[in-house]
Amino acid sequence: GAVVSQHPSRVICKSGTSVKIECRSLDFQATTMFWYRQFPKQSLMLMATSNEGSKATYEQGVEKDKFLINHASLTLSTLTVTSAHPEDSSFYICSARDGFGTGGKAFFGQGTRLTVV
Amino acid sequence: AQKITQTQPGMFVQEKEAVTLDCTYDTSDQSYGLFWYKQPSSGEMIFLIYQGSYDEQNATEGRYSLNFQKARKSANLVISASQLGDSAMYFCAMREGLTGGFKTIFGAGTRLFVKA
Repeated sequence: GAVVSQHPSRVICKSGTSVKIECRSLDFQATTMFWYRQFPKQSLMLMATSNEGSKATYEQGVEKDKFLINHASLTLSTLTVTSAHPEDSSFYICSARDGFGTGGKAFFGQGTRLTVV
Repeated sequence: AQKITQTQPGMFVQEKEAVTLDCTYDTSDQSYGLFWYKQPSSGEMIFLIYQGSYDEQNATEGRYSLNFQKARKSANLVISASQLGDSAMYFCAMREGLTGGFKTIFGAGTRLFVKA
């Protein structure tokens, strides 16, 4: 089955620094990837839709200048948390689809646990 | 407004018994997809089953089946013959059509505990 690789799986950074998280589709081309944030014991909250070759579409309430998303190729999307603060500590997870429209499975990366100290 | 509702925050089931996890949804799209994912403690999201809005038969995947009742807008997951390894968080998700931007949104989740 399709595989989505997310890196790093864990990162600890100092407050004020930036962190980049990569999401790669390993055996299929993903024109669209999605970035989610998950707080402990809560559901996945969609942050943004990452479109290859164009600007990401952010959900309401998500700061686009803080969470920079780049989708440079059909197999790679990156999320950069800029000037991270402790409240940004969370589990971030990406997904990519292998279909169009309403069908197609969404495959998820392993997730990245970010801790800002 | 909540688009995906999972009313059971936690469920217990005896090993080898069947369990139903509830999910209701709300959409004005005619074309949409419904999904169930399993999230073990490791955090990974594991795809379980998919139901398209135009599919007339309920989806089945091994021990998983989806009880799709379109008029009631419900898409309950049935796990037959529960195993200890089924203990995890389960999320119902919906991908709306064009008006919803083809985004997949998730319910709050149900934590399933399988007892030996």
